[in-house]
Amino acid sequence: GAGVSQSPSNKVTEKGKDVELRCDPISGHTALYWYRQSLGQGLEFLIYFQGNSAPDKSGLPSDRFSAERTGGSVSTLTIQRTQQEDSAVYLCASSLMGRGVHEQYFGPGTRLTVT
Amino acid sequence: SQQGEEDPQALSIQEGENATMNCSYKTSINNLQWYRQNSGRGLVHLILIRSNEREKHSGRLRVTLDTSKKSSSLLITASRAADTASYFCATDDLQGAQKLVFGQGTRLTINP
Repeated sequence: GAGVSQSPSNKVTEKGKDVELRCDPISGHTALYWYRQSLGQGLEFLIYFQGNSAPDKSGLPSDRFSAERTGGSVSTLTIQRTQQEDSAVYLCASSLMGRGVHEQYFGPGTRLTVT
Repeated sequence: SQQGEEDPQALSIQEGENATMNCSYKTSINNLQWYRQNSGRGLVHLILIRSNEREKHSGRLRVTLDTSKKSSSLLITASRAADTASYFCATDDLQGAQKLVFGQGTRLTINP
């Protein structure tokens, strides 16, 4: 595709509900990243995929957060039993795989509001 | 943990003036990148500078890197209203972690 896409663009959910956020990376990009950004803050790394495997899950804030990637393409970030502190913009990025860290291409993000 | 720290947190200047933002980091790096974010949504990559480079230019952007001081600066010359955005530096990690660590960002406002 032309760029990284994410859906939904906005999600309002009640506390305690589960949510799924989707990311479609740029075709051919084998590395995929999830970040979280709270209002007025920097980006907080959540998880990184290389192909379908996740070598680095160090940023997931709790066991309520999980992510998967299938077919080396689409990724889903799932938050179970959402809490108000989960409210943030969730950003996905993809990059070409290779030695070292490359330029990352970001999607527009999903703004999650937990009421 | 926080790697990049931008300074200042907010900057407001008149259109046509130059804007300088600074970034400091803590660990050794392979490269440092600068990104721009409009309206709190997706980030756009601006420029990447490698650890063996000291200065790099791209259009109205000039980036410097001082690895001895673990710092970088982003200069935007002849600023325009459209440059109003948040600017973030991001570093990789020589330990091999395949991720970028972002700073808190500088909020730049260009006044017409």
